[in-house]
Amino acid sequence: NAGVTQTPKFQVLKTGQSMTLQCAQDMNHNSMYWYRQDPGMGLRLIYYSASEGTTDKGEVPNGYNVSRLNKREFSLRLESAAPSQTSVYFCASRAPTGLNQPQHFGDGTRLSIL
Amino acid sequence: GENVEQHPSTLSVQEGDSAVIKCTYSDSASNYFPWYKQELGKGPQLIIDIRSNVGEKKDQRIAVTLNKTAKHFSLHITETQPEDSAVYFCAARAPSGGSYIPTFGRGTSLIVHP
Repeated sequence: NAGVTQTPKFQVLKTGQSMTLQCAQDMNHNSMYWYRQDPGMGLRLIYYSASEGTTDKGEVPNGYNVSRLNKREFSLRLESAAPSQTSVYFCASRAPTGLNQPQHFGDGTRLSIL
Repeated sequence: GENVEQHPSTLSVQEGDSAVIKCTYSDSASNYFPWYKQELGKGPQLIIDIRSNVGEKKDQRIAVTLNKTAKHFSLHITETQPEDSAVYFCAARAPSGGSYIPTFGRGTSLIVHP
């Protein structure tokens, strides 16, 4: 049972380059999320998708775009990477039954912008 | 919006001791409080959660208590073991238009010395 799979695991970019982070879940979850994690800052929500076909901004959406490709896949795109976007990015999904169900996280993409 | 404060940021204990991590929240409408454990190089994993209609929940060496009046909740780990060393995150979720958007604390790094 793979759960939430993120690719790539590591990436180094130069300032101004673009990149898409991929996320897929095999648990038939409706909701998917993208977070960034910085030292001492906890998890901050970038974008989320409550269901297939919908996306909404989170706390820190500037500089990012997302695509909910289908129920399984939710991608995060950096159009013009900046050093401030150096971070660890986590994708999460959540079960469709009931409102108070926990999120399931992938193991992250470690992104460095030079 | 919801604000979650988590303390301490670092906690160092001897193997066999107990560890307590505390969180406070601001929105009295919050009704779901998950706790996540994040091991090095991995994504957060749910270890225990509590809903607002319950004051305490236990799962083997782990327990969570909730005080709705004071708006705080705590994670208790008894008989700590070196494998408990990790970063722990609390979260609180207030109902918001049907979307599940929890607010996370900034994390506690627990170090258990053998």
